[in-house]
Amino acid sequence: AQSVTQLDSQVPVFEEAPVELRCNYSSSVSVYLFWYVQYPNQGLQLLLKYLSGSTLVKGINGFEAEFNKSQTSFHLRKPSVHISDTAEYFCAVSEDAGGTSYGKLTFGQGTILTVHP
Amino acid sequence: DGGITQSPKYLFRKEGQNVTLSCEQNLNHDAMYWYRQDPGQGLRLIYYSQIVNDFQKGDIAEGYSVSREKKESFPLTVTSAQKNPTAFYLCASSMWDEQYFGPGTRLTVT
Repeated sequence: AQSVTQLDSQVPVFEEAPVELRCNYSSSVSVYLFWYVQYPNQGLQLLLKYLSGSTLVKGINGFEAEFNKSQTSFHLRKPSVHISDTAEYFCAVSEDAGGTSYGKLTFGQGTILTVHP
Repeated sequence: DGGITQSPKYLFRKEGQNVTLSCEQNLNHDAMYWYRQDPGQGLRLIYYSQIVNDFQKGDIAEGYSVSREKKESFPLTVTSAQKNPTAFYLCASSMWDEQYFGPGTRLTVT
């Protein structure tokens, strides 16, 4: 069974500082990896995803993540954050279903990013 | 505009009552999902459906029921058997690898 651990429940940073949100996963098969963002009382929006190919993935709003298979990690980074990046971020993993299209997502517990002025 | 709608946004019920949460999508996606979100616990899968008239239990299906009579619709019923129904409920749909989420329904049971 797959599992996801987000290593920090809360990350406070100052505006324009860099940030890294950490995510580790566990799975016995190949995986797809995702980062989602959730603003208060809203649904989730996809930031970026890793399916295959280059291990450095660029997403929306200036975020990027790097897939590290040996360390089973998929950390999210942004070189300079804005107040508007304040939100909760979720890492999720889906096991490669062998060509079918319906992999179930397993989510981490979430990391609340708070950007201070 | 294509997307997923959930209604209502806020729902209040008395303990012991069943309540049905609506989820509709016009993305022509085959698969649909229901998640429950509680603070500090991430999202947990309740039920999912890969095709019309078929659905499977997720990790926390007890006290919930679903139906999938139409491709566009996947309603979730929270029954009186669910011991802690107060939560934020999210519906999602997918065609391939990416799940698209609705805005959620916050259910409060007192």
